[in-house]
Amino acid sequence: DAKTTQPNSMESNEEEPVHLPCNHSTISGTDYIHWYRQLPSQGPEYVIHGLTSNVNNRMASLAIAEDRKSSTLILHRATLRDAAVYYCILRDGGINKFYFGSGTKLNVKP
Amino acid sequence: SQTIHQWPATLVQPVGSPLSLECTVEGTSNPNLYWYRQAAGRGLQLLFYSVGIGQISSEVPQNLSASRPQDRQFILSSKKLLLSDSGFYLCAWSGAFANTGELFFGEGSRLTVL
Repeated sequence: DAKTTQPNSMESNEEEPVHLPCNHSTISGTDYIHWYRQLPSQGPEYVIHGLTSNVNNRMASLAIAEDRKSSTLILHRATLRDAAVYYCILRDGGINKFYFGSGTKLNVKP
Repeated sequence: SQTIHQWPATLVQPVGSPLSLECTVEGTSNPNLYWYRQAAGRGLQLLFYSVGIGQISSEVPQNLSASRPQDRQFILSSKKLLLSDSGFYLCAWSGAFANTGELFFGEGSRLTVL
């Protein structure tokens, strides 16, 4: 039921910005865009979410395309601790079900 | 503050044996509860979803079942395990109202079926 498409892996250098893309061409008007990340042998943790407008928090920024068919998670300065699998998820605003896709494995090089 | 616990953390079970994984949430009431499974190197698969006591939505036909005997307790069970049931099982909760946006996960239970 995953309705998002992400690259399998990406690589970044430490202290450089990282842009993680996500395509969700079938998004509906009530779908929220969520991002989670998962470290090895741990449960995923919430990163950020949004509906239409760009969002910022202490962890990251979320840039949402005007047509909402794609979004980008931005880590402003990657650290080694940011190496994880990042999941982009659509959640129907009417029901609280979260369907995870395969995610993007981010490698951060020192 | 809210916390979520699940146990056991690891278990090794023979094929055909029963399974019971338990999850409890503290510090909130009427949470939405979830069971996910993650096969090695894969993403998370939603198995079960519950909005209240006795209300279980099964997402994928399988060898597993779930129950919610109390508001903050969620149990994953199997009568006879298969090799394909091996994986990392995660319990999670979210607020009853959708706009919180956050799903909170337990520590996970790693099951190996031999």
